[in-house]
Order: sequence, then C-alpha cells, then structure tokens
Amino acid sequence: DSGVTQTPKHLITATGQRVTLRCSPRSGDLSVYWYQQSLDQGLQFLIQYYNGEERAKGNILERFSAQQFPDLHSELNLSSLELGDSALYFCASSVWSRPGREQFFGPGTRLTVL
Amino acid sequence: GQQLNQSPQSMFIQEGEDVSMNCTSSSIFNTWLWYKQDPGEGPVLLIALYKAGELTSNGRLTAQFGITRKDSFLNISASIPSDVGIYFCAGPLTQGGSEKLVFGKGTKLTVNP
Repeated sequence: DSGVTQTPKHLITATGQRVTLRCSPRSGDLSVYWYQQSLDQGLQFLIQYYNGEERAKGNILERFSAQQFPDLHSELNLSSLELGDSALYFCASSVWSRPGREQFFGPGTRLTVL
Repeated sequence: GQQLNQSPQSMFIQEGEDVSMNCTSSSIFNTWLWYKQDPGEGPVLLIALYKAGELTSNGRLTAQFGITRKDSFLNISASIPSDVGIYFCAGPLTQGGSEKLVFGKGTKLTVNP
C-alpha cells in the first residue's frame, strides 16, 4: 500500500459525459501528479500540482482539467468524453516539488467510455 | 514521443533464473527510477538511482545507473513466481520549460514455476 488513495476504482460512462477522478496523496506529500496509461501510449504524464499550484503540464487535453485543494487532495476532471479516453488514470504523490525524485502511485481509476 | 527504450519487451523464464533488463535513452538523465506494475494495480517504486555509476540493491533486485547517464540496468536474481509483472524505467526530462517523468514501455516478465 503506497498510501495514495484514488476513487473510484472503476468508472463506466458514455461519450460526451463528464467525470471527476479523486486522489488523496500520502500524508505529508505536497506534489500530486496525474498520469494516463493506455495500451498503445504507455504511461503519459498529464499534470502536476505542488501545494495547490499548477507546477507542470504534460500531454493534457484541453477537455481535461485538474486542481489541488487546500487539504492537498486533487481532482482530475474529464469532459466531453470520447472513446479514446478509455484508459487507466493514476495519480502519484511526492514530497518533492520536482518530478525527478521518488513518486508513489495510487491504485488507479479504470475509465471506460462507451 | 517515447524517450526511453526498454528491452527486452517481454521475457519468459523459469523460476530460479536470473533476469536482466535495460533502459536506454538518447538524452542524459540525472535520475533513474525503476517501477514494477502488477495487473490492475499502480506502479510500485523498486529502486531510485541518482548518481552515474551508482549500483543499488533492494533484496534480490539490483539496478545500476550507467556511466554515460543514458542507460540503466535492472537485474533480478533467483526469480520467483511473484516477480511476474511489468517493469518500467523512468527518468525526468525537461520539455517546453517543464520537467516531467517519462516512462519506458516496460518489460513484461513471466516466470514459470
């Protein structure tokens, strides 16, 4: 158990819908990272928040957004969902502000868009 | 595009055998991280390397940070069935002014009892 929690574990929805994924980092960690894992693209970095502020952006679509709240939990919002958004979404947390140090991953949310 | 090349893509071995896998890049990295992912689970950090030439062990696992800083190796000794999974290497890369962790495509390990 990494100490990172994610809800829900599974999510099934339809195209065009909007969903929110939630992540609680390990106690004491200020950084939260979001990743998308699909079979063809592997693990892709989406976005990082550090202590409530956006720190770095990766391959995140404009239809996706995230935020980190004062209690340090984070939410990833996916809107206007398409079939191709079906994937595993992971969050990871770290005590460091830079990504080049240990990151601890949650169990993931499996999103299926029908 | 993918910045890290992992090989082999998959391995089928007998229990008790030693395993070697590697990760290479055209870019220089100052950190190498090795993760293992079980089906349906999140990646678990195995070993972190921060210095060129560094050799670090974690039980039966040993990883090395290549001298050129463009590669890293992971060895597993005396494999057991629970070693089954996908092993990923990762390292930080700066692109477009942002630093992010990039991952290899993974080496899938199957251990036959």
